[in-house]
Amino acid sequence: QQPVQSPQAVILREGEDAVINCSSSKALYSVHWYRQKHGEAPVFLMILLKGGEQKGHEKISASFNEKKQQSSLYLTASQLSYSGTYFCGTVDTGAGSYQLTFGKGTKLSVIP
Amino acid sequence: DSGVTQTPKHLITATGQRVTLRCSPRSGDLSVYWYQQSLDQGLQFLIQYYNGEERAKGNILERFSAQQFPDLHSELNLSSLELGDSALYFCASGRTSGDNEQFFGPGTRLTVL
Repeated sequence: QQPVQSPQAVILREGEDAVINCSSSKALYSVHWYRQKHGEAPVFLMILLKGGEQKGHEKISASFNEKKQQSSLYLTASQLSYSGTYFCGTVDTGAGSYQLTFGKGTKLSVIP
Repeated sequence: DSGVTQTPKHLITATGQRVTLRCSPRSGDLSVYWYQQSLDQGLQFLIQYYNGEERAKGNILERFSAQQFPDLHSELNLSSLELGDSALYFCASGRTSGDNEQFFGPGTRLTVL
């Protein structure tokens, strides 16, 4: 069962902030975040692991609440280049592997 | 540029046919992942190989198969193609077999007519 992302879409003006949420019904080992621009491949942003470890780009911040099985991606002082579709991917603790299950994505549009 | 290459970029074929998609991972990466992306299903994991061996299997149809060769490139074979197989197929690579960041290739757009 895929994680649920919210909102499905958001429009921001440059400089505004946004939060994208990802929620799973399963116990999670980790959460990944990727951004995909139109016509391009997804690009890795961040991994958040159980226990609080994070790996990713310095300018991106995110949180992972293991108990609530939720993660949030924080985009501050948005720039035009932030536009794209953001996907969270989850690794379930009971999956027996590290395969990612992706949400349906959040489409972010940043306008001048 | 992620360093992952995929060929061909576009593929148009007919129902019932068989095609092969090819992927070369980034230098030093031992894992290769295959994903299918369609408008209604989103990004779906198909299969993972690590250093030549199958590591994880997702929602991959029996008509589809994959392998990873000694030089670490991978091929995804799709047979008895149906209209619903039309999608963007991505390959990604990762350094280890574990939970690591994945680097996606540019994708192969498959159109089944």
